[in-house]
Amino acid sequence: DAGVTQSPTHLIKTRGQQVTLRCSPKSGHDTVSWYQQALGQGPQFIFQYYEEEERQRGNFPDRFSGHQFPNYSSELNVNALLLGDSALYLCASSQRGYRSNQPQHFGDGTRLSIL
Amino acid sequence: QKEVEQDPGPLSVPEGAIVSLNCTYSNSAFQYFMWYRQYSRKGPELLMYTYSSGNKEDGRFTAQVDKSSKYISLFIRDSQPSDSATYLCAIKIQGAQKLVFGQGTRLTINP
Repeated sequence: DAGVTQSPTHLIKTRGQQVTLRCSPKSGHDTVSWYQQALGQGPQFIFQYYEEEERQRGNFPDRFSGHQFPNYSSELNVNALLLGDSALYLCASSQRGYRSNQPQHFGDGTRLSIL
Repeated sequence: QKEVEQDPGPLSVPEGAIVSLNCTYSNSAFQYFMWYRQYSRKGPELLMYTYSSGNKEDGRFTAQVDKSSKYISLFIRDSQPSDSATYLCAIKIQGAQKLVFGQGTRLTINP
């Protein structure tokens, strides 16, 4: 049973560029959330997708956007990259929709470095 | 004030010791409590998931919730070197998926 998979594992970009990160949820899961984890910090909630719509959003600017596909996979897009966007980006999936209390399971993340 | 406070450590204990990890939170609307373990260069792995006040045990791990004090704990018995990792507490309100994490405590178990 495959868990949450994310690609790529590591990415290096320069300031001002755009990046797309990808996530496949755990089998049977329909809800995807994205988190940003700076070095030495706990993850910060970016947003959540269910039924191909953004359902809840954290305190992140509009440069951060996403998408969910009919097969429940998801993408995170970040435009106009800043040095401060360097972090580990984590995808988490869960069952039964965005209002459920089912636990979230995380992938191993994409480490994004901005030069 | 942060919604969740967690001592970042680092915490270093000898093998076999009992480890106590703690978090406090400020909002009584938080109803669900989780502990995740994160190894270096890996994603968080769910260890414990609780709702009610009291204790929940799973093998060497015990999660404790005191809603009246807004205080949660994770105890690790008979600690092993393989328990060396960063431990993250996470909380959420009912009916919403957003998790609020503590800063994480870096734990080292010395053989």
